[in-house]
Amino acid sequence: GAVVSQHPSRVICKSGTSVKIECRSLDFQATTMFWYRQFPKKSLMLMATSNEGSKATYEQGVEKDKFLINHASLTLSTLTVTSAHPEDSSFYICSATDRTNTEAFFGQGTRLTVV
Amino acid sequence: AQKITQTQPGMFVQEKEAVTLDCTYDTSDQSYGLFWYKQPSSGEMIFLIYQGSYDEQNATEGRYSLNFQKARKSANLVISASQLGDSAMYFCAMREDYSYNFNKFYFGSGTKLNVKP
Repeated sequence: GAVVSQHPSRVICKSGTSVKIECRSLDFQATTMFWYRQFPKKSLMLMATSNEGSKATYEQGVEKDKFLINHASLTLSTLTVTSAHPEDSSFYICSATDRTNTEAFFGQGTRLTVV
Repeated sequence: AQKITQTQPGMFVQEKEAVTLDCTYDTSDQSYGLFWYKQPSSGEMIFLIYQGSYDEQNATEGRYSLNFQKARKSANLVISASQLGDSAMYFCAMREDYSYNFNKFYFGSGTKLNVKP
């Protein structure tokens, strides 16, 4: 199956700083990428949908100024958590689809800890 | 309304026995897909099995089978001959085929499966 690579797998940052998470499709062109957040022992919560070359669509309750999503190319989407706070600590995972839209492939996830 | 419901937060099964993980869904769409994913403690989402709403036969993939009962809107996962490596979180998910973003998934709350030796 197609490979989606997410980097970094773990990151610790200080409160008030920003952190960027990358999601890359390695062997296909990802026209759409999804960003999810997962709290401990909870389900995946969709944060936003990004289509290449256009602005991301955020789910209700997700602060677009706090979670900046950029999908500038067909192989890369980034999620930037701005002015991070301890409550932003979570597991973030991306998924990507290609032009056929027949399947979604997930990245390995990023565990963010804000101290 | 919740689109995917998994009512078993945790399950135990003896090694080599079969186990069924429950999943019910809610949609008014006629065309949709149902998925099961396994999430080990490392966090990655591992695709297990897919069932299309128009598929008449239950999907099977090795030791995994999906018991699809469309009228009851249920899509239970059956794992046969459980192995210790099956211990993980299991998520049921649905994709509505006519939604604006085709691959927008709705996930259930998950079931933590523990396989006992």
